[in-house]
Amino acid sequence: DAKTTQPTSMDCAEGRAANLPCNHSTISGNEYVYWYRQIHSQGPQYIIHGLKNNETNEMASLIITEDRKSSTLILPHATLRDTAVYYCIVSVFSGGYNKLIFGAGTRLAVHP
Amino acid sequence: ETGVTQSPTHLIKTRGQQVTLRCSSQSGHNTVSWYQQALGQGPQFIFQYYREEENGRGNFPPRFSGLQFPNYSSELNVNALELDDSALYLCASSSRVTLNTGELFFGEGSRLTVL
Repeated sequence: DAKTTQPTSMDCAEGRAANLPCNHSTISGNEYVYWYRQIHSQGPQYIIHGLKNNETNEMASLIITEDRKSSTLILPHATLRDTAVYYCIVSVFSGGYNKLIFGAGTRLAVHP
Repeated sequence: ETGVTQSPTHLIKTRGQQVTLRCSSQSGHNTVSWYQQALGQGPQFIFQYYREEENGRGNFPPRFSGLQFPNYSSELNVNALELDDSALYLCASSSRVTLNTGELFFGEGSRLTVL
């Protein structure tokens, strides 16, 4: 079962920041938060992940609350090519392997 | 550096048949995971292979089986196909099997339709 809650859909104007929220209230202390996105008809693409601290890379920033029960993915300057389904995932360790539990994700539409 | 490649990209089977899907891992990756993505849903974990051994499995019946080869390429086999097996099957490779580290690199998927 998915352990994250995300809005079903969001809109964003091109050039503006897109802020995608995620709730993961049952996250364990050693579980990471991953963000992936899936553009139509393609495989999911890794964006960023974090444990406690805020993280930034060339694609996005990840802000994790101090209690780690929620996080926000920030696309600083959204473009039309950022239109995709964004998945917030809590990484589960069980029995010596690592699996990603995907929920339904947030469908982000970037418009001109 | 080549990415993850999957074949075939599309195929159609009938109920009761068997299917084999193939995946070539990204160079240097020794772990392969398979996911099933039904239309409109997120991907669901099927199983993971590390050094030719299955080391993790999701909630899928035994008719879903796999192999990993010495060159780290992989196959997903599904026997006795059912209509609900219609989905996009995604392969993902990784360079590590460690707790909460390492990103997965996904292929474009194989879209299976069962009639």
